Amino acid sequence: GENVEQHPSTLSVQEGDSAVIKCTYSDSASNYFPWYKQELGKRPQLIIDIRSNVGEKKDQRIAVTLNKTAKHFSLHITETQPEDSAVYFCAASTHGGSGYALNFGKGTSLLVTP
Amino acid sequence: DVKVTQSSRYLVKRTGEKVFLECVQDMDHENMFWYRQDPGLGLRLIYFSYDVKMKEKGDIPEGYSVSREKKERFSLILESASTNQTSMYLCAIQGQTTTYFGPGTRLTVT
Repeated sequence: GENVEQHPSTLSVQEGDSAVIKCTYSDSASNYFPWYKQELGKRPQLIIDIRSNVGEKKDQRIAVTLNKTAKHFSLHITETQPEDSAVYFCAASTHGGSGYALNFGKGTSLLVTP
Repeated sequence: DVKVTQSSRYLVKRTGEKVFLECVQDMDHENMFWYRQDPGLGLRLIYFSYDVKMKEKGDIPEGYSVSREKKERFSLILESASTNQTSMYLCAIQGQTTTYFGPGTRLTVT
């Protein structure tokens, strides 16, 4: 089955700096890659996703890049703010994410210090 | 707005008890999932269902079973709870492509 590796497990940055979280996947058939943010005591929520037909997607301060050849994708957060502090999970799925379960990485705990 | 609810936020059970965790959705989606979340291990898939009375094993089904008698309801069953099943349990539903999570049930088995 699909194996998703996520690094780093913890990340501490100063407010205003950029943060990068990287994931690799094993199944070349995977074609849907979402990112979830989980604040303390809350449920994971989708913040951005990318499909295999594009290499990059951006939404305000967050962006995701995908390298299908190398089977890795990354989350980039620019101009970090304290409210970005949370656990971030990457995931991968086949069939565009429809009808198939997401396989998650183990998460990255991001701390943004003022 | 997608609504996924779980029957309890916190639950404390004794070893050997039978435990039912319920998940209800209001969006008429076919696909429903049960994940378990543990620190450092991320979200691991226990079971999922594509339709009423259908179920598929995920990555860690041992010690669990599921029931889906109605489309909107997906239950996770711990036949005989053990202390290593102490965890956060998250139900999820899948829309066209996006997976939405319920609020979670923190289960403690003593």
